[in-house]
Amino acid sequence: EDQVTQSPEALRLQEGESSSLNCSYTVSGLRGLFWYRQDPGKGPEFLFTLYSAGEEKEKERLKATLTKKESFLHITAPKPEDSATYLCAVRRRDSNYQLIWGAGTKLIIKP
Amino acid sequence: DTAVSQTPKYLVTQMGNDKSIKCEQNLGHDTMYWYKQDSKKFLKIMFSYNNKELIINETVPNRFSPKSPDKAHLNLHINSLELGDSAVYFCASSLTSTVETQYFGPGTRLLVL
Repeated sequence: EDQVTQSPEALRLQEGESSSLNCSYTVSGLRGLFWYRQDPGKGPEFLFTLYSAGEEKEKERLKATLTKKESFLHITAPKPEDSATYLCAVRRRDSNYQLIWGAGTKLIIKP
Repeated sequence: DTAVSQTPKYLVTQMGNDKSIKCEQNLGHDTMYWYKQDSKKFLKIMFSYNNKELIINETVPNRFSPKSPDKAHLNLHINSLELGDSAVYFCASSLTSTVETQYFGPGTRLLVL
């Protein structure tokens, strides 16, 4: 069964303390892996799409990487405004364009 | 300008009632979606329309009925509301059904008492 698992469920960091969030997936034929950010009371906001193992994407303090089994979202020197829930989703190669979502990692950056 | 908008933002109602949630996108996208986000934060696809045609219809109770009057609007009507329907419902859109980047609305928080 297709599955997306994110860890940890929650992560508290001090401002400036770098770390990584994990998204592991089991899917028959990956079409793409997606990272979204969700602020409290708002809808998810698109961050990155990764299509093949070895691919990397960067945006400000965030860098997403992809292997054949998992993706990491690295956050470098985070700021309090990076606090949010980060969601990962995958699409199967033969799917009818559905995304399978993880439960997210809640990131809290303390000043 | 709001890209994907939903109304209402909050909806509190009694069991057994019928309610509707409206969604509009001004991005010129062909494809729209309805998702349900439960208390554990999992997003589950419910329906997807491409140019007013239903393309994804997940296993949801038939009390839920989507309607797309045009490609900029996708409404969700729920009959005979149950306690388990309480959740946040998100509307989203994408340029086409094969373009994966989805843009989400702010969500409608439904509480069934």
